[in-house]
Amino acid sequence: GENVEQHPSTLSVQEGDSAVIKCTYSDSASNYFPWYKQELGKRPQLIIDIRSNVGEKKDQRIAVTLNKTAKHFSLHITETQPEDSAVYFCAASIDFGNEKLTFGTGTRLTIIP
Amino acid sequence: GAVVSQHPSWVICKSGTSVKIECRSLDFQATTMFWYRQFPKQSLMLMATSNEGSKATYEQGVEKDKFLINHASLTLSTLTVTSAHPEDSSFYICSARPGTGALEQYFGPGTRLTVT
Repeated sequence: GENVEQHPSTLSVQEGDSAVIKCTYSDSASNYFPWYKQELGKRPQLIIDIRSNVGEKKDQRIAVTLNKTAKHFSLHITETQPEDSAVYFCAASIDFGNEKLTFGTGTRLTIIP
Repeated sequence: GAVVSQHPSWVICKSGTSVKIECRSLDFQATTMFWYRQFPKQSLMLMATSNEGSKATYEQGVEKDKFLINHASLTLSTLTVTSAHPEDSSFYICSARPGTGALEQYFGPGTRLTVT
């Protein structure tokens, strides 16, 4: 089955700086890669996703890049703000069957004011 | 749009009793719902995939007779933890996909189960 690794497990950045979180996946058939943000005690929220026919996607301060050959994808947050502090999870799934998501282990991002 | 609710948000029960958790898609029909378990400071572990009108598909290591899943309608899936034990204490979260062909999953707010 699919295995998703995520790094780093914790990340602290100064407010205004950029943050990058990286994930690798094992199954070359995976073709959908969402990122979720989870605040303490709350539900994971989808913040951005990318499909394998696209190399990069951007939504305001958030961007995701995908390298299919290397089987890795990254989340980039620019101009970080205190409200960006949360745990971020990457995930991967295959676009057929039941499309279940395999999650990475999570990155705890702390924005230092 | 794409709102998923869960009930209850938290529950405390005694060992040996059963607890039912409901997951509802409020503004869309969900042919597929997923049930996850999350331990403190850990990732989401998929327990089972719930398909409307058919039996759930359980992940390896998840006891289907202990975690009963029923997806009776396009907007409701239930997870029943039977004969609960303290080790079943966890945060249970459901998610739903808004229709066939959609890949996005939207999560419910979760249910914190404590078994005493």
